Amino acid sequence: DQQVKQNSPSLSVQEGRISILNCDYTNSMFDYFLWYKKYPAEGPTFLISISSIKDKNEDGRFTVFLNKSAKHLSLHIVPSQPGDSAVYFCAASDYNTDKLIFGTGTRLQVFP
Amino acid sequence: KAGVTQTPRYLIKTRGQQVTLSCSPISGHRSVSWYQQTPGQGLQFLFEYFSETQRNKGNFPGRFSGRQFSNSRSEMNVSTLELGDSALYLCASSSGPGEGNTIYFGEGSWLTVV
Repeated sequence: DQQVKQNSPSLSVQEGRISILNCDYTNSMFDYFLWYKKYPAEGPTFLISISSIKDKNEDGRFTVFLNKSAKHLSLHIVPSQPGDSAVYFCAASDYNTDKLIFGTGTRLQVFP
Repeated sequence: KAGVTQTPRYLIKTRGQQVTLSCSPISGHRSVSWYQQTPGQGLQFLFEYFSETQRNKGNFPGRFSGRQFSNSRSEMNVSTLELGDSALYLCASSSGPGEGNTIYFGEGSWLTVV
């Protein structure tokens, strides 16, 4: 059973526009969510996180929104840059553990 | 401040052999966790250690084991290697489990089983 889902395997966005990556989860016990960026053959790079007591968290060009009632979170990247092209993973955990459950990833391509 | 360091970065093993992978967490971090990434299964949780104690274990066979030392460094071992064990093995560390601590990953160890 896939507890964390990223239903869009790929997304293509023009440079300067907004990229919106989506993630859904099923386990209501999850209360901490993270987004990672990953290049092939490298480890995931942490981008931004959000706890379940918040519905929004911003860090520079990255904003994560959490809708607990819908069990849905999204990552907004504004403005998108070619260097943002990578695979993005959302991950969820219980607040008392470092055990992360990952989504399947969304490949973002930002074109000029 | 050095990041999470994993060794070796690349290795090739033969079916039936065993392998040990090493992880040095970020200085001051006491929680270490391990993940396996394969094209078919994605990123899957293997183990979580804190203060030398295993706190969580993923759904992997007993051939997969790990440990954490008093200096927070960790190792994982896979015995009787199978072709399906070929994967990128990732180590992550944080200052402590939970409390919304950021979890940082190393570059990974690429294991190929032939």
